[in-house]
Amino acid sequence: QQQVKQSPQSLIVQKGGISIINCAYENTAFDYFPWYQQFPGKGPALLIAIRPDVSEKKEGRFTISFNKSAKQFSLHIMDSQPGDSATYFCAASMSGATNKLIFGTGTLLAVQP
Amino acid sequence: DAGITQSPRHKVTETGTPVTLRCHQTENHRYMYWYRQDPGHGLRLIHYSYGVKDTDKGEVSDGYSVSRSKTEDFLLTLESATSSQTSVYFCATLRADTQYFGPGTRLTVL
Repeated sequence: QQQVKQSPQSLIVQKGGISIINCAYENTAFDYFPWYQQFPGKGPALLIAIRPDVSEKKEGRFTISFNKSAKQFSLHIMDSQPGDSATYFCAASMSGATNKLIFGTGTLLAVQP
Repeated sequence: DAGITQSPRHKVTETGTPVTLRCHQTENHRYMYWYRQDPGHGLRLIHYSYGVKDTDKGEVSDGYSVSRSKTEDFLLTLESATSSQTSVYFCATLRADTQYFGPGTRLTVL
């Protein structure tokens, strides 16, 4: 019940295309859903995050879609660029005392020029 | 920049030796976390701290201990390193419900 399942494991997209990464969770007590971007040799960096009181959040070319009833959320990267090539992790936590993050297994995105 | 440094950045050690990794923060955050990252597993929580001398176990705590004697430092110790502990270790701090990560330490246990 603490797992966050992420798919696909890897993704190849052409420059200018849309990249879509999906995550699903079981624990309905989760109330904070961040996405992290990680480049080789670096630590994960927060990309965008959402709470379950909204169904969508957009920041530039990055959008999170959230479906509370299905317990799913997804990251859409519009107009994908080679510089977006990285590993993306979804995560979930219960805000409050400890904010422990449960991570998905990651998606390696390659944007081809 | 999350104001987090980790040391060492790379370490190679032998099975059975003790290893201590250090996480240092400059922003006086209360919560600090240690994760390990392995292919196919994402990041998994090892231990976390919610204040000086206040720590608790995470998902994969076996074989690891931690200490936090002052706010800015959170130490992760492998008492007797094993090859299964070869991994990349990340430290994180918490600010406004968001965790910010350090640059990581790559540990190889031969």
